[in-house]
Amino acid sequence: EVQLVESGGGLVQRGGSLRLSCEASGFSISSYWMSWVRQAPGKGLEWVANIKQDGSEKYYVDSVKGRFTISRDNAKNSLYLQMNTLRAEDTAVYYCARDPGRSGYSDYWGQGTLVTVSS
Amino acid sequence: SYVLTQPPSVSVAPGKTARITCGENNIGSKSVHWYQQKPGQAPVLVIYYDSDRPSGIPERFSGSNSGNTATLTISRVEAGDEADYYCQVWDSSSDLRVFGTGTKVTVL
Repeated sequence: EVQLVESGGGLVQRGGSLRLSCEASGFSISSYWMSWVRQAPGKGLEWVANIKQDGSEKYYVDSVKGRFTISRDNAKNSLYLQMNTLRAEDTAVYYCARDPGRSGYSDYWGQGTLVTVSS
Repeated sequence: SYVLTQPPSVSVAPGKTARITCGENNIGSKSVHWYQQKPGQAPVLVIYYDSDRPSGIPERFSGSNSGNTATLTISRVEAGDEADYYCQVWDSSSDLRVFGTGTKVTVL
């Protein structure tokens, strides 16, 4: 069974940092692009970033470029999101998702981890 | 930037058909994917590449895409279909994935 479990969320002050983790089971992430998608409270979905199977390509939404870094450790079957210089508008549930391709869709999602940035 | 417009809400009686639209200029030239999200839960893929259904998704869910509008159709609506639905495309000009504004489906 495919499972994605996020961790690392919490309360952080504006300007602070957090590192999110996503541990996969039931499949090998080395065969897939992987994404982070977020959802602010009561709002819609926003794609944040994705990363190629070998980590050689990474793409980000403009609002996080230069502040967030997506990475992966295929040996640990895990995906990460390093978030620096956090802003109030980064407050959201962050979902990890599996992508069959770079430009397509996400076929499995984790349950998410909540990041709250206090001002 | 690419903006996918969905109606904020759609109401439908049980057993009837719900149609959720996703609009953008020439969206028919792109592949559209659809997700269902129930309160407090993660999104679930219900349609990919305009009209393909993942395994486990009922045949009542179908999709189409042409011209300026993509449509998710839910036939014989059930109470369990009550959820938010989002369309999604990949915008090649910006190299970004874009989600629609979301539609809340209410079963009367």
